[in-house]
Amino acid sequence: DGGITQSPKYLFRKEGQNVTLSCEQNLNHDAMYWYRQDPGQGLRLIYYSQIVNDFQKGDIAEGYSVSREKKESFPLTVTSAQKNPTAFYLCASRPRGRDSRNEQFFGPGTRLTVL
Amino acid sequence: SQQGEEDPQALSIQEGENATMNCSYKTSINNLQWYRQNSGRGLVHLILIRSNEREKHSGRLRVTLDTSKKSSSLLITASRAADTASYFCATDALTGANSKLTFGKGITLSVRP
Repeated sequence: DGGITQSPKYLFRKEGQNVTLSCEQNLNHDAMYWYRQDPGQGLRLIYYSQIVNDFQKGDIAEGYSVSREKKESFPLTVTSAQKNPTAFYLCASRPRGRDSRNEQFFGPGTRLTVL
Repeated sequence: SQQGEEDPQALSIQEGENATMNCSYKTSINNLQWYRQNSGRGLVHLILIRSNEREKHSGRLRVTLDTSKKSSSLLITASRAADTASYFCATDALTGANSKLTFGKGITLSVRP
């Protein structure tokens, strides 16, 4: 899983509560990403950040928020506005540059269950 | 929206056989990548092929790209039980500095010992 850590591995929350998922990387990568994965599905992009203090919405940003105050950290908050938050959440990072090599490095994921 | 569509959705083979997985996409791309995911884990990058390349090898992996047909294939030769995993193709569209990947739904590969 490279130099990316996500915590916790499993997370349970009650309906109506906000919860924050942690993502930290020590790869000195500029770009970071949050994905959601549902059973039998591919990854869908929630938010991404190309540089500190800047981020953009992905395909399914509603009900989520992020911050990028430090290069190595990109926390994701799942708010009570997210109607179906139970899913597997994956964080990734990538060195930003003009080179067309664009592989992403993934963390081990956090499985969120809403009770 | 999901750009890549993998085929088949599931594949079961005997150890030692070759596994071929296909991916089709809809729009122009900068490059196409294949990733592997073991159950309950993060994704691991396998191989990247640029839009101006037609074939690439890495160990037991061979990937091809046909931009005229907007399709790619991943071949795993001499498969092993440890190759059992889900495989995803991901396309990097021509979005410049804000490049981002779009993933398909994945192929579940089972290799029987």
